Amino acid sequence: AQSVTQPDIHITVSEGASLELRCNYSYGATPYLFWYVQSPGQGLQLLLKYFSGDTLVQGIKGFEAEFKRSQSSFNLRKPSVHWSDAAEYFCAVGGLIQGAQKLVFGQGTRLTINP
Amino acid sequence: DVKVTQSSRYLVKRTGEKVFLECVQDMDHENMFWYRQDPGLGLRLIYFSYDVKMKEKGDIPEGYSVSREKKERFSLILESASTNQTSMYLCASSFLDKTQGYTFGSGTRLTVV
Repeated sequence: AQSVTQPDIHITVSEGASLELRCNYSYGATPYLFWYVQSPGQGLQLLLKYFSGDTLVQGIKGFEAEFKRSQSSFNLRKPSVHWSDAAEYFCAVGGLIQGAQKLVFGQGTRLTINP
Repeated sequence: DVKVTQSSRYLVKRTGEKVFLECVQDMDHENMFWYRQDPGLGLRLIYFSYDVKMKEKGDIPEGYSVSREKKERFSLILESASTNQTSMYLCASSFLDKTQGYTFGSGTRLTVV
């Protein structure tokens, strides 16, 4: 069955530090992978996506993610975080699930930024 | 700007009430979804629809039903609200094209007392 694992429930980093959020997926075919961000009290916003081509993808707000098939991973990175990056981040894998194109989400990683 | 609009941001209902959560999208998306979000559990799919009048159960459909009479509108119905349905409810929509991802609404925080 398709699944997504985000090993870190909560991460704290200092403003200006680099960030890496981990995501591992399980999917039988070529995956479609997404990262979403959710600010407090808001819906989810798409940060970036991968479905083919270059395995390093660029997204909004200075984020990037690298697809590594051998490790079944799609980790999210940012070179220097800002206080406004404090939010919850969700990784998702998309594909044909129960006969329809759907996304399966990880449990999320909450990011706290220290000033 | 494309939008998924959920009719209420906050809702308080009594146990046993019938509750309607409305979602409207203006992007001509074929697919629409209802999720609930709870701390530590992430997003769990309740129901989805890939066409008007079509619906499919997600992972946790018990206690819920849905209606999609028009392409742009997808309603979630709690037939008899219970306290364990207190949660954040998120609506999303997407094209059939699986590469596009979802567009989410801002969510409805439902409290059942």
